[in-house]
Amino acid sequence: GAVVSQHPSWVICKSGTSVKIECRSLDFQATTMFWYRQFPKQSLMLMATSNEGSKATYEQGVEKDKFLINHASLTLSTLTVTSAHPEDSSFYICSARTLAGGPGELFFGEGSRLTVL
Amino acid sequence: DAKTTQPPSMDCAEGRAANLPCNHSTISGNEYVYWYRQIHSQGPQYIIHGLKNNETNEMASLIITEDRKSSTLILPHATLRDTAVYYCISHSQGAQKLVFGQGTRLTINP
Repeated sequence: GAVVSQHPSWVICKSGTSVKIECRSLDFQATTMFWYRQFPKQSLMLMATSNEGSKATYEQGVEKDKFLINHASLTLSTLTVTSAHPEDSSFYICSARTLAGGPGELFFGEGSRLTVL
Repeated sequence: DAKTTQPPSMDCAEGRAANLPCNHSTISGNEYVYWYRQIHSQGPQYIIHGLKNNETNEMASLIITEDRKSSTLILPHATLRDTAVYYCISHSQGAQKLVFGQGTRLTINP
C-alpha cells in the first residue's frame, strides 16, 4: 500500500514552545489529509481535515489558532502546536487519501508522540 | 455516518479464528463497512471493506448480514501479532472524513 510518513516520531518540548509535525505522502499525491489526536487508552479523535491549497476544516472544539495546519503541496501537510502545554501531550496521527479513492484508500502515518513538560 | 457498536474487548487463542462482531443497525444503503486495526503506538492499518457481499483478502474475511445491520471480521488463524484494537466504521465511499469509535481490543493468547 501507499506510504505516509510522519516526522518527528516523538518530541519532548518545554511548556510554551511551539512544535511542528510533518506528514508526507511518499509515493502518491494526497489532495486531502486528516489530523487525529489520541490520548492513552482512547480512540482516535479527528481534529481537522486539510485540503491542499485551502484552509483546513476543524472539528468542533478544536482551536484553529492553537493547532495550525498547512497543506501547501500534494505531498505535505504540517501541524503546528502553538504555545504547547502539558495537556497537549498526546499521540498525533495523520492520514492521507489518494486522488482516486474514498476511505478505503486512506493511509495512516506512524504517529508522532508529543510530550510537553 | 452510521454509528457502530463493538464489544470493548475480546480474547482469542493463538492459531484459532478470531471473530470480531460489529453492529451498524442504522447503516444506509450507500455506506460501506470498513475495518482498521491499530497496533500499540502505531497508526491504524486498513484491513478490509465491503458493501453487502462477503469479502476476503490476504488479511481477513468480512461477513456482512443480509440486512446489513451487522458484520463480522474474521482473522482465520490468529497470531500474537494480531493483538491490536480493531475499529469497525460504516461510511459512504464519497464522504470526506473517517470517524473512529472505541473499537475492540483483541488479545491473542499463546
